[in-house]
Amino acid sequence: SQQGEEDPQALSIQEGENATMNCSYKTSINNLQWYRQNSGRGLVHLILIRSNEREKHSGRLRVTLDTSKKSSSLLITASRAADTASYFCATDATTDSWGKLQFGAGTQVVVTP
Amino acid sequence: DGGITQSPKYLFRKEGQNVTLSCEQNLNHDAMYWYRQDPGQGLRLIYYSQIVNDFQKGDIAEGYSVSREKKESFPLTVTSAQKNPTAFYLCASSTDRGSYTFGSGTRLTVV
Repeated sequence: SQQGEEDPQALSIQEGENATMNCSYKTSINNLQWYRQNSGRGLVHLILIRSNEREKHSGRLRVTLDTSKKSSSLLITASRAADTASYFCATDATTDSWGKLQFGAGTQVVVTP
Repeated sequence: DGGITQSPKYLFRKEGQNVTLSCEQNLNHDAMYWYRQDPGQGLRLIYYSQIVNDFQKGDIAEGYSVSREKKESFPLTVTSAQKNPTAFYLCASSTDRGSYTFGSGTRLTVV
């Protein structure tokens, strides 16, 4: 079963606007990761946030983690048409000895010029 | 440049046929993974391997087989026992508790 669930399933915004998507998960985690997938391609790693971290930034990306609520959010600021993609959260559960990731179903983001 | 290579990009399988998808990495990662992705859905884990000559079943291993004879290679065979093999297959590699590096995927279609 999938550990993470993204919300919303789909998001349509205009260039320059911010895009926010959320991820909820069920079990304790070592870390949570966000990935991006362009249509028909492999996934690209964006950010990894550890369970003892609350916020992390990378360029126009901001990720927050609330372990008490078992949730994370990904914010893309000043979006561009090139940000159009599907975004997935993935969790590394503490019950897993290695770090095998469980992926959510993703949020499909469309940015229109 | 280090990376992970999947081949072929597109693959067509006849009913009752076994096919093998290739995955090679030169990142010196210990762990490798195979995921299946169906349209509009997330990734489901088929098999994973943490070390050479060892691999474990994931959530949907039935109808699939793998081998890990070399650190760099983790081929996936889709057998005739897999009743609904049409999907997008993604291979990935990682270090322990690190981020994944994904290949560009193989799209398998049953004809």
